[in-house]
Amino acid sequence: DIQMTQSPSSLSASVGDRVTISCRASQNIINYLNWYQQKPGKAPTLLIYAASSFQSGVPSRFSGSGSGTDFTLTINSLHPEDFATYFCQQTYITPHTFGQGTKLEIK
Amino acid sequence: EVQLVESGGGLAQPGESLRLSCVASGFTFSNYAMAWVRQAPGKGLEWVSGISGGAIGIYYADSVEGRFTVSRDNSKNTLYLQMNSLRVDDTALYYCAKVDRLPFTRGITLEYWGQGSLVSVSS
Repeated sequence: DIQMTQSPSSLSASVGDRVTISCRASQNIINYLNWYQQKPGKAPTLLIYAASSFQSGVPSRFSGSGSGTDFTLTINSLHPEDFATYFCQQTYITPHTFGQGTKLEIK
Repeated sequence: EVQLVESGGGLAQPGESLRLSCVASGFTFSNYAMAWVRQAPGKGLEWVSGISGGAIGIYYADSVEGRFTVSRDNSKNTLYLQMNSLRVDDTALYYCAKVDRLPFTRGITLEYWGQGSLVSVSS
């Protein structure tokens, strides 16, 4: 199975900050990488697919980049509603494994 | 509006069985693959299983292979997960999710999720 490793596991930031979350795959997954956001008590929602494409309705302050084994989710100018947990997921080969998550907290 | 409503969760003892259902509405169910993802209390997401729109392609995580069976009834717009030989570490909130296309291929996304059905396995 492909292992997905996110860093950091948790992150404290302030409204207006720019944050970056990394996701590393244990083998080349080309660009088959999705990012999801999950708020407490809620189901995850899709943010980014194919490493850098926006899901409809996602604010432009979110962006994704990367290919191969290294990927990044960047949030520019944090809004209060962005404090949540973020997961990457590879869909290169089943099982479609997720990273362990990055919890973004308010400083 | 896409809606996914899971049911069938509950308390089970180790070794017992449960069947989860996910009723879909707001889209042509047979035209889309579906997936199950679970989340243990306070933990991350774990992909469990996927099934193509016509149930030709079926996939499982190693942790459930041989114990869980995914199926679908396109005439009832319903996805199922039959869980046998349950273990304590199967305790989780089980989400069903709509895939963005018919086949279960590379590059799929889980574009809509239900609110989950809680499965607790304990003696």
